[in-house]
Amino acid sequence: QQPVQSPQAVILREGEDAVINCSSSKALYSVHWYRQKHGEAPIFLMILLKGGEQKGHDKISASFNEKKQQSSLYLTASQLSYSGTYFCGTESLHEKTSYDKVIFGPGTSLSVIP
Amino acid sequence: SAVISQKPSRDICQRGTSLTIQCQVDSQVTMMFWYRQQPGQSLTLIATANQGSEATYESGFVIDKFPISRPNLTFSTLTVSNMSPEDSSIYLCSVSGAGLDYGYTFGSGTRLTVV
Repeated sequence: QQPVQSPQAVILREGEDAVINCSSSKALYSVHWYRQKHGEAPIFLMILLKGGEQKGHDKISASFNEKKQQSSLYLTASQLSYSGTYFCGTESLHEKTSYDKVIFGPGTSLSVIP
Repeated sequence: SAVISQKPSRDICQRGTSLTIQCQVDSQVTMMFWYRQQPGQSLTLIATANQGSEATYESGFVIDKFPISRPNLTFSTLTVSNMSPEDSSIYLCSVSGAGLDYGYTFGSGTRLTVV
C-alpha cells in the first residue's frame, strides 16, 4: 500500500526551510528518503529504522515515529541544489517471500528559487 | 554503494514487439528490483528478482508480460513483451545496499516509447 506524502509541491526561496511528511497505514520497520532530479534516477538520501530515530547530514535530516508510522524530512537553509522531487519509500515484510520491498510515495516536488 | 549499468538508455519500439532491458551490477547482490515510472509519477515496483528462483511479481504485473531473468548475482534482464503505447514509461532496476544503513541504488533508467 502506497504511503501518503505531503505537501504535493512546495516552492522555497534560498535559505528557507521545508518539511516533507510521509505516512503509512501499514506497520513499518524502515523509511527511506530519495531525491530525484528531472531526467535522472533517484538518489538515496537516508534510511531510518524502526526504534524511532532521527538522522541527518549537512542540512537535511529526518525523523521516524514508528508508532504513528510517520516520517518527516527536514531541509534547512535550502540551496538551489535541493530542487527536485522527494520520495519516501516504506519498507515492510513482503507477504509472499518475507523479504523486504520498498514502496514509494507519490513524491513531493520542491523548487528552490534565488 | 553498488554501481549499476543499465541499457538501453532509451528506445522507440513498434507496438506488438518486445524489448529486453539489461542491468549489470559491479558487485554480487542477492535481490534486484525492477520499477516502472510514468512521467511525473512515482516508482511502481514490477517485480523482485532473486537469483536461483522465479521472480516475485507485484499485483497488476504478470510474468507473461514482463518476464525476468536472473542468471547470476550481478545481472538481470526485464523483457517488456507484446508492447502497447500504455507500456511507454521509464523502467529502472535497483539493488539494495549492504548493511542496515544503505538504501537502494538505481540504474540510470530506460526510457521506452511505444508507437
